[in-house]
Amino acid sequence: DGGITQSPKYLFRKEGQNVTLSCEQNLNHDAMYWYRQDPGQGLRLIYYSQIVNDFQKGDIAEGYSVSREKKESFPLTVTSAQKNPTAFYLCASSIDSVIRGNTEAFFGQGTRLTVV
Amino acid sequence: AQSVAQPEDQVNVAEGNPLTVKCTYSVSGNPYLFWYVQYPNRGLQFLLKYITGDNLVKGSYGFEAEFNKSQTSFHLKKPSALVSDSALYFCAVRDIPTFMDTGRRALTFGSGTRLQVQP
Repeated sequence: DGGITQSPKYLFRKEGQNVTLSCEQNLNHDAMYWYRQDPGQGLRLIYYSQIVNDFQKGDIAEGYSVSREKKESFPLTVTSAQKNPTAFYLCASSIDSVIRGNTEAFFGQGTRLTVV
Repeated sequence: AQSVAQPEDQVNVAEGNPLTVKCTYSVSGNPYLFWYVQYPNRGLQFLLKYITGDNLVKGSYGFEAEFNKSQTSFHLKKPSALVSDSALYFCAVRDIPTFMDTGRRALTFGSGTRLQVQP
């Protein structure tokens, strides 16, 4: 089955720890995205990548880091600098090219991160 | 900058009645517009999109949306609601990119509207 896989589904982090959320896609999509979802605030963009070895900050990048070494993978690290990391994290991908941009994004099932 | 407003936190409708979930947008040029649905503790599922052409767009599960450029709106509609339509609905927008435009290439989402369909 083609799709986007996020792991783990639930993640618990202690104060001061870095944690990495996995996102893998086998759709052969160029573009990948990370969003954070908090109740009543909708989805906010953390980072996005249009192509391998390139990524851009979104609206709330502080305290997060990403890498895009392979087309299929876009892991997100939540660092200890992120002061309020408890949230639902969603990864997405789309076919996209620099010129097009009219394609919908496909989402993974999300990772719920809780600080304990 | 691109932005989306969903003015209603919640919409309640009786099963069998028509439903409307409102969305207005702001972009610097022309928009691509999308609707997604989210069930509890799940990712978002794509419903429909407006790219160009006919202002009435038909999508999955009997949903449709009407693009109104003068009102900068893209309201989601369904003629007859089902209890199973109860979920969280998100509207999203992005500017139509140009070859020389190296700006933002990601969707901007609204805050979401919870649809509750009563039996």
